[in-house]
Amino acid sequence: GAGVSQSPRYKVAKRGQDVALRCDPISGHVSLFWYQQALGQGPEFLTYFQNEAQLDKSGLPSDRFFAERPEGSVSTLKIQRTQQEDSAVYLCASSLAEGVQPQHFGDGTRLSIL
Amino acid sequence: DAKTTQPPSMDCAEGRAANLPCNHSTISGNEYVYWYRQIHSQGPQYIIHGLKNNETNEMASLIITEDRKSSTLILPHATLRDTAVYYCIVRAPFGGVTGGGNKLTFGTGTQLKVEL
Repeated sequence: GAGVSQSPRYKVAKRGQDVALRCDPISGHVSLFWYQQALGQGPEFLTYFQNEAQLDKSGLPSDRFFAERPEGSVSTLKIQRTQQEDSAVYLCASSLAEGVQPQHFGDGTRLSIL
Repeated sequence: DAKTTQPPSMDCAEGRAANLPCNHSTISGNEYVYWYRQIHSQGPQYIIHGLKNNETNEMASLIITEDRKSSTLILPHATLRDTAVYYCIVRAPFGGVTGGGNKLTFGTGTQLKVEL
């Protein structure tokens, strides 16, 4: 497709379950970012990939959060043993390369932990 | 990245120009100004960016003051579909080895409401 695609759009899980969120970036985009957006707030950076290399994971809130991009294209954000505070919209963005190139966002996955 | 300050909300009549201000008084020489907007239940949408010259594209115009301490995003003929939260973001083009690859640091933005 032409844009960044994220799936699922909505995810409901019980506290303690593991979840996996998928991001399909724009074809050919080298850089890929994950952000977390709490209700009423701006997105906050979680992690960054350049191709398959995870160059920055400083924004991941705990070791329950794990992201991968094994072939430098599709990325998965995994949250283990989910907690209620993990409820948020998770946004993925990609850009052609590092530098001034703008990031293009998907519409996110809304995660609700019961 | 430099911090930005935006008014929390603004109203605009449909068909009129919407002028959204942003202060970034601590901006560094290599930092660009980016504007994104987020319509309800959608991801942020890139609008425009610039370094020091004014920029225009099919969506908007970006006016950056000569000292680069502030900028204005102009939507020339606002429509109801322009109702959104508008984010002004300042960032350097390269994040360094572990600098987050120029991650975006969002504030709370300006809620623009376009009304009939």
